[in-house]
Order: sequence, then structure tokens, then C-alpha cells
Amino acid sequence: GENVEQHPSTLSVQEGDSAVIKCTYSDSASNYFPWYKQELGKGPQLIIDIRSNVGEKKDQRIAVTLNKTAKHFSLHITETQPEDSAVYFCAASIDNYQLIWGAGTKLIIKP
Amino acid sequence: DTAVSQTPKYLVTQMGNDKSIKCEQNLGHDTMYWYKQDSKKFLKIMFSYNNKELIINETVPNRFSPKSPDKAHLNLHINSLELGDSAVYFCASSQVSGRGAFFGQGTRLTVV
Repeated sequence: GENVEQHPSTLSVQEGDSAVIKCTYSDSASNYFPWYKQELGKGPQLIIDIRSNVGEKKDQRIAVTLNKTAKHFSLHITETQPEDSAVYFCAASIDNYQLIWGAGTKLIIKP
Repeated sequence: DTAVSQTPKYLVTQMGNDKSIKCEQNLGHDTMYWYKQDSKKFLKIMFSYNNKELIINETVPNRFSPKSPDKAHLNLHINSLELGDSAVYFCASSQVSGRGAFFGQGTRLTVV
């Protein structure tokens, strides 16, 4: 079955710098890759997603890239701000079946 | 207007008790889920329902029983609560199974 690995488990960056979180997946049939942000005391919130027919997608300061050959995808956050501090999860799914989740990355933005 | 709402937000109960968590979504989605998040923040899917029918039932004790009276509601009933059941439980919904899901605020269950 599908397995999703996420790195790093904790990432600390200076405010204003960029942050990159990486995920790898095992099943080449996976075709949907969302990213979620979970703030303290709240549920995960979908922030961006990408499908396998697209290599990159941007939404203001966040972007996701997908490398199907290498089976990995990454979340990029530019010009980080204190409100970006949260736990970020990647996930992957195949043809509308269940999402397989990464273990999460705690992002800390240092002032 | 909350999209996915679950109640209660906090639940403290003694071992052996039976409790329920309710979930409602007003997004018109066809698929609803229950997730368990442990102390290490790992998200584990428990159940998935599509139009009131169970489509995913991961390996969870049969003390956990989901009930979907209609496609807007998915409640979780837990019998004979154990200490290890302590976690945050999230309800979620999506228009299509396996696609972007909207999560509720979570129910923090503490079994003492």
C-alpha cells in the first residue's frame, strides 16, 4: 500500500526566510497531493493541493512542487511570518481513495 | 457559519463509560470521516462514509461504532472507554472521497 514520509519533523526558520517541507510517496499511481496546516487547538486546514498532471502550483507565498519521477513533492513558504508557525501535513491519494498522511512537520518561525 | 462542527469540544470521562461525539457538516459533501490524532500529532483515519454508507473501516476496536443518520451527520459512539482512547478526534468531510477535506475543530477526549 501507499506510504508517505515527511521531513523534517521540526523546522525552525528566521522570520522572513523561506521554509521547505518535503514528502515522498511509494505508490506511483498516487495522483492527488494536498497540504494541510494545523494551528494549535484547531483542526487541519487545506492550504494547497496539486494533481499529478501539474508540476507546480502557487498561491501567494506558498507553492507546491511535484516530481513524479522521483515520487516526491514539496511545500515552499516564502517570506515567512509568525502566523505561519503551525504543524504542516502532506498527504497522497489514488483515484479518490483514502488520503495517506505524512507524520507532520512542526514549523517554528523565529522573530 | 461553521462548515464542519463537532460536539463536544472537550470530553473528560472515566474508564468504562460510554460516550458519543456528534458531527455535522453544512457543505453538502457526500463523504465524511473520523480521524484520531494522538499526542505525537499523527493523524489516523478511523472511518469513512459516503452517502451514509461505510466505505473505509480501518483497524479500530469494535468498541467504536460510527453512525450516519443522513449524509450531513456522522456520529461516533465509543463503548467501554479505555485510557488509550485519550486523543483528539476529528470529524471531516469532502465532496469526493480522498480529495481535499474540511476538518472540524476536534474533540479532545480524556479518559481518567
